[in-house]
This record gives sequence, C-alpha cells and structure tokens, in this order.
Amino acid sequence: GESVGLHLPTLSVQEGDNSIINCAYSNSASDYFIWYKQESGKGPQFIIDIRSNMDKRQGQRVTVLLNKTVKHLSLQIAATQPGDSAVYFCAERSNDYKLSFGAGTTVTVRA
Amino acid sequence: DVKVTQSSRYLVKRTGEKVFLECVQDMDHENMFWYRQDPGLGLRLIYFSYDVKMKEKGDIPEGYSVSREKKERFSLILESASTNQTSMYLCASSLQYYGYTFGSGTRLTVV
Repeated sequence: GESVGLHLPTLSVQEGDNSIINCAYSNSASDYFIWYKQESGKGPQFIIDIRSNMDKRQGQRVTVLLNKTVKHLSLQIAATQPGDSAVYFCAERSNDYKLSFGAGTTVTVRA
Repeated sequence: DVKVTQSSRYLVKRTGEKVFLECVQDMDHENMFWYRQDPGLGLRLIYFSYDVKMKEKGDIPEGYSVSREKKERFSLILESASTNQTSMYLCASSLQYYGYTFGSGTRLTVV
C-alpha cells in the first residue's frame, strides 16, 4: 500500500539556523499535503498545507516545497528557535478524506 | 478555533477491563478519526466516521470498536483491554476536504 515517510528520524539544528525536514510520498494520486508539529505531551498541530497544483507555499517562518516529479515534500523553518523543538509529521491525502502519516522527524534545537 | 477535546489525558486500566475513550469536537465537523501513536510506528488509523451512526474500519481495528451517536462525539471502546493496547490515543476531526484538528491525546496504560 501507499506510505508516507520521512528521510531522517532525528535532526539536530543550531538555534538561529534554518531547518529542512524532508518527506517522501509514494502515491502519485495524492492531492493534498500537510505538515504537523507535535510537542511533547500534546496532540499534533497544523503548521502548513499545500495542494498538488502548487509547488511552494509560505507561512510565518515556514515554507513547504512540493516536488511531484520525485514525490518529495519538504518543510523549511527559518531562524530555528528553541520552541521549534518537536516531532514533525508530513501527511498526504489520496482519494478520500483520510490522511496517511509518516513516522515523524524529531527536531532538537541546540542553544 | 476548532477544539477537539479528549476526556482523559492519562488512564490506567487493568487487563480485561472495558475501556471508553471519549472525544468531542465543537465545530460541526463531519469527519472524526481515532489513531494510536507508538514510538517508531507513527500514527495508525483505528476507526473513522464520516457521519452520525456511520463508522469505517481503519488499518488496525482489531480489539476496538467505536460509537458515533451524535455528530460532535466519537467514542473509542476497548472491549477487553490488553497490554499491547498501551499507547497514546489521538482523536481528530475535519471538514470534508481539509486537514485534521487533533485533540491533546489520551495516554492509556494497561497493566
């Protein structure tokens, strides 16, 4: 079946640097992608989304890039802060209302 | 903002007990979902519902059932709790073609 996966389970980044979190998806029919952030002890929170008719979308300090040719999704966080330490999940929606999630990348921000 | 409220943050139950996990959302969302989250396995879909009194099995429904008698409430039932059901349980809701809003999660320990 289809799966959504993240390239690296952990990422350590220096405070103030930019972070890039990667995600590969396998279903070329997926039309909608989301990044979630999950802090310790909390449920996942929506960060940013992108539809398949776009290749880039920007939010506050975050940018999502979609490369449909290689089925790759990335989340860029500018000027990473200690509050950005969390687990980040990508999710894709294929042909119904359900989302498929990757296993997550744990981001640790070094002071 | 949409709120998804899970009735308990932490639960400890004994093997064989019947366990009810309650989830309520306050924004008239049609879709509701139950996931479990385990280290290294990401979010796995247990059951979901597109409407009142409607339910569909997800990827790992064995040992669980659900109830949706009202649009705002979606209950997860463990008929006879077992130790391998120790996990973080996440409820989510969504409008038809949008991303999910998650609750804060219930950490269930079965002893």
